[in-house]
Amino acid sequence: GQQLNQSPQSMFIQEGEDVSMNCTSSSIFNTWLWYKQDPGEGPVLLIALYKAGELTSNGRLTAQFGITRKDSFLNISASIPSDVGIYFCAGQPSSYSGGGADGLTFGKGTHLIIQP
Amino acid sequence: KAGVTQTPRYLIKTRGQQVTLSCSPISGHRSVSWYQQTPGQGLQFLFEYFSETQRNKGNFPGRFSGRQFSNSRSEMNVSTLELGDSALYLCASSFGSSDDTQYFGPGTRLTVL
Repeated sequence: GQQLNQSPQSMFIQEGEDVSMNCTSSSIFNTWLWYKQDPGEGPVLLIALYKAGELTSNGRLTAQFGITRKDSFLNISASIPSDVGIYFCAGQPSSYSGGGADGLTFGKGTHLIIQP
Repeated sequence: KAGVTQTPRYLIKTRGQQVTLSCSPISGHRSVSWYQQTPGQGLQFLFEYFSETQRNKGNFPGRFSGRQFSNSRSEMNVSTLELGDSALYLCASSFGSSDDTQYFGPGTRLTVL
């Protein structure tokens, strides 16, 4: 099945630092998504990417859809305490084929810890 | 616009029992997907319903089943619970096209004793 390799697994940074995480896949995805999950809650969508090469920003967050459609990165600039949480990348396949596992494929997550 | 809601938020069951979880999608969304999240396996796709029909299914045993109603609300059922079924069960809704973004609910935390 499809797998996403997300790295790093965890990050310990100082407040104000920039953060970078990425995901790579063995398969092509039509859409890349980045979610953040706080303890006890569901993932919240941060950025959605729909075209290869696309670079999208959402405030201090910037994400890119790799040109090969097999990778994506997320950058967070000037981190603040509320950025703490687990960040997931997710890939959506090119089409619903039916009968197969065509839901989102998630990375294992990057646990971001910020020291004030 | 209200988000995805899931009930109950927390549930404790014992091995061998069955459980039913409920999900109400965002108004206008016709697709509901279910995911299981565990510390070891991460987020894994269970199945997706669209217009009352299961459209996609992940690699889970037949003890996991679901259905969708005409108002797009969905339920998932797990029969003969095992300890390993303890997890956060998340549902996500979307309009249903292949490139639509899925929005997640807060999840139901199931503990099997």
